[in-house]
Amino acid sequence: AQSVTQLDSQVPVFEEAPVELRCNYSSSVSVYLFWYVQYPNQGLQLLLKYLSGSTLVESINGFEAEFNKSQTSFHLRKPSVHISDTAEYFCAVSDWPGGGNKLTFGTGTQLKVEL
Amino acid sequence: EAGVVQSPRYKIIEKKQPVAFWCNPISGHNTLYWYLQNLGQGPELLIRYENEEAVDDSQLPKDRFSAERLKGVDSTLKIQPAELGDSAVYLCASSPGQNTGELFFGEGSRLTVL
Repeated sequence: AQSVTQLDSQVPVFEEAPVELRCNYSSSVSVYLFWYVQYPNQGLQLLLKYLSGSTLVESINGFEAEFNKSQTSFHLRKPSVHISDTAEYFCAVSDWPGGGNKLTFGTGTQLKVEL
Repeated sequence: EAGVVQSPRYKIIEKKQPVAFWCNPISGHNTLYWYLQNLGQGPELLIRYENEEAVDDSQLPKDRFSAERLKGVDSTLKIQPAELGDSAVYLCASSPGQNTGELFFGEGSRLTVL
């Protein structure tokens, strides 16, 4: 069975500082990888995803994640965070092919951006 | 376009009482999911529907949990009787059925069992 490890439950960071949220998965097969974000009092929403092709994927609000198969990682990064990035971030994985919509989530990382 | 709608947002009940959660997915989305999210944990799949058929219910505790998706649109998740350990957020999500991994989540129903 798939599993996802998010080692950091909370990450405090000052505004305009860089941030990295770590995600490792356990799988010996090809996978799809995702980052979902949950802003306060809102539902989870897809931030970015890796299905195939370029191992570096980007979101519209400046986040990026790199698929590293040898390290089974999919860390999320942003070079300069904003107060509005405060949210909980979930890494998720599914088997490829055929399992694209059956997601296994990590435990989440709470990103708190401070002034 | 309306998102996934869930109700109620909050529910407090005594243990052994029944409770039901309702979900209206995004129009045209064939696939519907119920997830359980315990405090400090990520969402865990309870059941997945393709139209009105439950195609994956392996994680649903069938002794007390039941779900239905009549007519392949709205869905209801029921717990009877509720236990203290059922206190959690119940998330509904839908997807258009393509194999893309993008699920659209509702805001969730937070259950507290006293």
